[in-house]
Amino acid sequence: QKEVEQDPGPLSVPEGAIVSLNCTYSNSAFQYFMWYRQYSRKGPELLMYTYSSGNKEDGRFTAQVDKSSKYISLFIRDSQPSDSATYLCAMSYASGGSYIPTFGRGTSLIVHP
Amino acid sequence: GAGVSQTPSNKVTEKGKYVELRCDPISGHTALYWYRQSLGQGPEFLIYFQGTGAADDSGLPNDRFFAVRPEGSVSTLKIQRTERGDSAVYLCASSPSEGDTQYFGPGTRLTVL
Repeated sequence: QKEVEQDPGPLSVPEGAIVSLNCTYSNSAFQYFMWYRQYSRKGPELLMYTYSSGNKEDGRFTAQVDKSSKYISLFIRDSQPSDSATYLCAMSYASGGSYIPTFGRGTSLIVHP
Repeated sequence: GAGVSQTPSNKVTEKGKYVELRCDPISGHTALYWYRQSLGQGPEFLIYFQGTGAADDSGLPNDRFFAVRPEGSVSTLKIQRTERGDSAVYLCASSPSEGDTQYFGPGTRLTVL
């Protein structure tokens, strides 16, 4: 079993839909939780960053962390075709001063007009 | 300002050959990371530099892989005796300091025939 599990999709939704993306993890030491967006043939780009449990909102994006369930989510409201990309969850903890993230495999999202 | 750049963007080589992949981080960023991303997977950590020294090389798969950052800026990932299983996208990221947001380059797509 991998430390971070993420459904690869693809997830196909119509424009304007609310999208829910999720990851589960097994290592209770994880403290920092991130969501990256990766367009085809590009590097990942950080979207959201959360420390410990709770919610964080930024425009159309909301990140949720439930450490008791080892479950994190990213919600995208009013989805747009430009949101079509692969979304990677990542998480890390401080280990000897290092915060190397462990990534999920990514979920491919397709928003069709 | 300029982002992280990686050269070449694509590299095709034959099994057994030696390759070098270059990463130019964002100016002033002291932390530099190398990852490997196989098709349909998330980035997998290889090595992390803080300044000129390798602070964590626990992700290097074997001794065929080596990386340097002699002046604390540009980094080169070196792969000896390449194998077909080394085919992947090699991503470089930099951050202002350890633990800060990582900014990724577009990657080098390595194909070993």
